Amino acid sequence: SAVISQKPSRDICQRGTSLTIQCQVDSQVTMMFWYRQQPGQSLTLIATANQGSEATYESGFVIDKFPISRPNLTFSTLTVSNMSPEDSSIYLCSVRTVSYEQYFGPGTRLTVT
Amino acid sequence: GQQVMQIPQYQHVQEGEDFTTYCNSSTTLSNIQWYKQRPGGHPVFLIQLVKSGEVKKQKRLTFQFGEAKKNSSLHITATQTTDVGTYFCAIPGTASKLTFGTGTRLQVTL
Repeated sequence: SAVISQKPSRDICQRGTSLTIQCQVDSQVTMMFWYRQQPGQSLTLIATANQGSEATYESGFVIDKFPISRPNLTFSTLTVSNMSPEDSSIYLCSVRTVSYEQYFGPGTRLTVT
Repeated sequence: GQQVMQIPQYQHVQEGEDFTTYCNSSTTLSNIQWYKQRPGGHPVFLIQLVKSGEVKKQKRLTFQFGEAKKNSSLHITATQTTDVGTYFCAIPGTASKLTFGTGTRLQVTL
């Protein structure tokens, strides 16, 4: 298993600003992902955070809006840029183990006003 | 991309009743995973099924993978209030990325 922490746990931001979310894992993992979850909805994959190279984004998500860093195998950041109210959501960091189980961080609840 | 339908969307049961959620894929799957998300919490891995027709049990939870490996079910016997939450199935996609089902929200009342 893996223990994942995320900071901040929640934030209220003004439109047009940016927020950087941090994800820290207690062990080295190869595969790290960022998801978004609207209230009452399923999880949508934003991107795969690749260590040492650019993140791989899913359809509908772009680097300019959601820049991701992955400086090492235990840490990643997701920035939500130039925020609008539509970006209000829960953002979750996740890692996959060698047995293909995925573990999630506690999430960051973002409200954009 | 792959479609993952889950039914029902929502179920409300009284404590002690059974509950089942179904997950259906449009394609044959190599494996399927199940997750539980408590209200206000994050998804928690429950189990992975790999073999055709596989049945696995975790206390009151029974997981089944269809013979054709296109569907799966999660059955809870004698629900308790601690079972409240949303249950998601998840299937592997390209580069082993998971696609999550639409989820079934379970409400249990006394």
